[in-house]
Amino acid sequence: AQSVTQPDIHITVSEGASLELRCNYSYGATPYLFWYVQSPGQGLQLLLKYFSGDTLVQGIKGFEAEFKRSQSSFNLRKPSVHWSDAAEYFCAVGDPGGGADGLTFGKGTHLIIQP
Amino acid sequence: DSGVTQTPKHLITATGQRVTLRCSPRSGDLSVYWYQQSLDQGLQFLIQYYNGEERAKGNILERFSAQQFPDLHSELNLSSLELGDSALYFCASSVGVGDYGYTFGSGTRLTVV
Repeated sequence: AQSVTQPDIHITVSEGASLELRCNYSYGATPYLFWYVQSPGQGLQLLLKYFSGDTLVQGIKGFEAEFKRSQSSFNLRKPSVHWSDAAEYFCAVGDPGGGADGLTFGKGTHLIIQP
Repeated sequence: DSGVTQTPKHLITATGQRVTLRCSPRSGDLSVYWYQQSLDQGLQFLIQYYNGEERAKGNILERFSAQQFPDLHSELNLSSLELGDSALYFCASSVGVGDYGYTFGSGTRLTVV
């Protein structure tokens, strides 16, 4: 069964500092990989996705993620965070054979931005 | 506004009761997915419908059921509610079956007392 691990439950970063959120997955092959953000009281918004090809993926809001097959990782990065980036971040995997079975999400990382 | 509409936004009900959550997908989307978000389990896939037909089941309890109507809106029915059913219930929609172009609604927060 596929699974997603986000090792950090909470991360605190100063505004303007760089950010890296970790994501490790367990899957038989290379899954489809996603990062979502959830602001309080809101639904999930897709930041970026990886299906194949270039392992460095650019997303919205200045985020990027790098797929590393050897480490089964898909870490999310941002060079300089803004106070508005404070939110819950979810990594997810999907079966490349089809999306009918839905996504498997990690438990999330709560990002706190210090002024 | 994501284009996916969920009603109601909040629901408080007693144990043993039955509730219905409603989702209207984004215009043009034929697939509807239901997810449950709880502190214990995180985000879990419940069920998917495509153009009125059930396509996949995840961790959905037998007390829960769903359907998608001809106008493509979907309802999630939760019965014999227990305290542990308290959670955020999200609906997402996408154009097809196998694509992951999800658009999520803002959720219904269910509190069972």
